[in-house]
Amino acid sequence: KQEVTQIPAALSVPEGENLVLNCSFTDSAIYNLQWFRQDPGKGLTSLLLIQSSQREQTSGRLNASLDKSSGRSTLYIAASQPGDSATYLCAVKVGDSNYQLIWGAGTKLIIKP
Amino acid sequence: DGGITQSPKYLFRKEGQNVTLSCEQNLNHDAMYWYRQDPGQGLRLIYYSQIVNDFQKGDIAEGYSVSREKKESFPLTVTSAQKNPTAFYLCASSKGRPTEAFFGQGTRLTVV
Repeated sequence: KQEVTQIPAALSVPEGENLVLNCSFTDSAIYNLQWFRQDPGKGLTSLLLIQSSQREQTSGRLNASLDKSSGRSTLYIAASQPGDSATYLCAVKVGDSNYQLIWGAGTKLIIKP
Repeated sequence: DGGITQSPKYLFRKEGQNVTLSCEQNLNHDAMYWYRQDPGQGLRLIYYSQIVNDFQKGDIAEGYSVSREKKESFPLTVTSAQKNPTAFYLCASSKGRPTEAFFGQGTRLTVV
C-alpha cells in the first residue's frame, strides 16, 4: 500500500534563505507526483506536477525533483520570501484517475522577515 | 472567471443534524471529488464522481452521502451517522481522468 510522508511537519527559516521540502513515498510505481500550496483556511493551489518519466520541473523560484528509485521528491524554494509562508503538500498519483491520489500530511513553512 | 465555489465557508452543526455542503464548478469538468482534511493528516477521499448521475465511494464514505444530478454541482451531505464530522472539507474537479484537479476554497464544519 502506497504511503506518502512529509518531514518535517513544520519548518521556520529567515527570509532570503534557499530551502528544501521533502516528500517520500513507499512504492515507486507512480503516474506522477504533484506539489500543492495551501494558505491557512483555504483551498489548494497546484504548484508543480512531475510525470513519472521526468526528473524535475521548474516554475519561477520553485524547482521540484523526482527520484522514483529512492521514493523521494524535493521541492526547492530559492530566495524565500514571507509570502511563501504556507503549508506545502505533495500527492502521488497511483493510477490514471485523479481519485487515485495519495497525500502527504504537509509541511508548514514559516518565513521570518 | 471559471472556478470551483464551495459554500458556506464556515458551518456549524448540532449533534444529530444532517448538513449539506455545496460545491459548484463552471469549468465544464466531468469529474468531481470530495476530500476531508484533518490536522496532521493527508487529504482523504470521501466520494468521487466521474460523470453525471454516477458516483463512487472513496476511502471514508461512511456517514456521508452525495448526489450528481448536474455536471456543475456535487453536494455533500454529512449525516448524523458521521461520528466525528468536525473537519475541513475540500471539493475538487478535473476535466478527465489524467488531467490535474482544481480545488475549491473549502468549508470548515464544526459540531457544536
